[in-house]
Amino acid sequence: EDQVTQSPEALRLQEGESSSLNCSYTVSGLRGLFWYRQDPGKGPEFLFTLYSAGEEKEKERLKATLTKKESFLHITAPKPEDSATYLCAVQGRTDSWGKLQFGAGTQVVVTP
Amino acid sequence: ETGVTQSPTHLIKTRGQQVTLRCSSQSGHNTVSWYQQALGQGPQFIFQYYREEENGRGNFPPRFSGLQFPNYSSELNVNALELDDSALYLCASSLAMVTGDGYTFGSGTRLTVV
Repeated sequence: EDQVTQSPEALRLQEGESSSLNCSYTVSGLRGLFWYRQDPGKGPEFLFTLYSAGEEKEKERLKATLTKKESFLHITAPKPEDSATYLCAVQGRTDSWGKLQFGAGTQVVVTP
Repeated sequence: ETGVTQSPTHLIKTRGQQVTLRCSSQSGHNTVSWYQQALGQGPQFIFQYYREEENGRGNFPPRFSGLQFPNYSSELNVNALELDDSALYLCASSLAMVTGDGYTFGSGTRLTVV
């Protein structure tokens, strides 16, 4: 069964203080690894899809990387508006197309 | 292009009652999935509908059921509500067999069972 573990559970950063979030996963044949951002009381907002080890994607201050066992979400020079819970999810090749296996998320707070 | 719309936004029910939650898919999407998100946890897959049929299910009992309509909108029905069913219920739409754009989630329905 697919499993996703995210660390740390919570992260408090000063504005401008870069950091990384970790997502460790086990899956039988990776179809895709997804990063989402979730604000309180809202649904997850899609950030990136990664497909194979070595792949990297960037969007503004966020950069996602992928290895065979884990993914990292790097936040460079964060701003208070980057405060959110970041969720990692995987989909295996034997999973139905609508199924994502999520981790519990990392709650990020960026203070001015 | 409209996103995913869910209704109602909040709901309070009594243990043992039944509830129906609704979801309108993003334009162009033909697959709908439902997720349950307990407080402080990641979303858990309930089931998926494609072409009006359930074709994938997570570890949820049969009292969780659903429908997908010809216009790709969907309903989640939960019978015999239990206190542990209190959660944020999320609907996600996607295009079958396409992962590149991710899955578009609605803002959810917050269900409280008392």
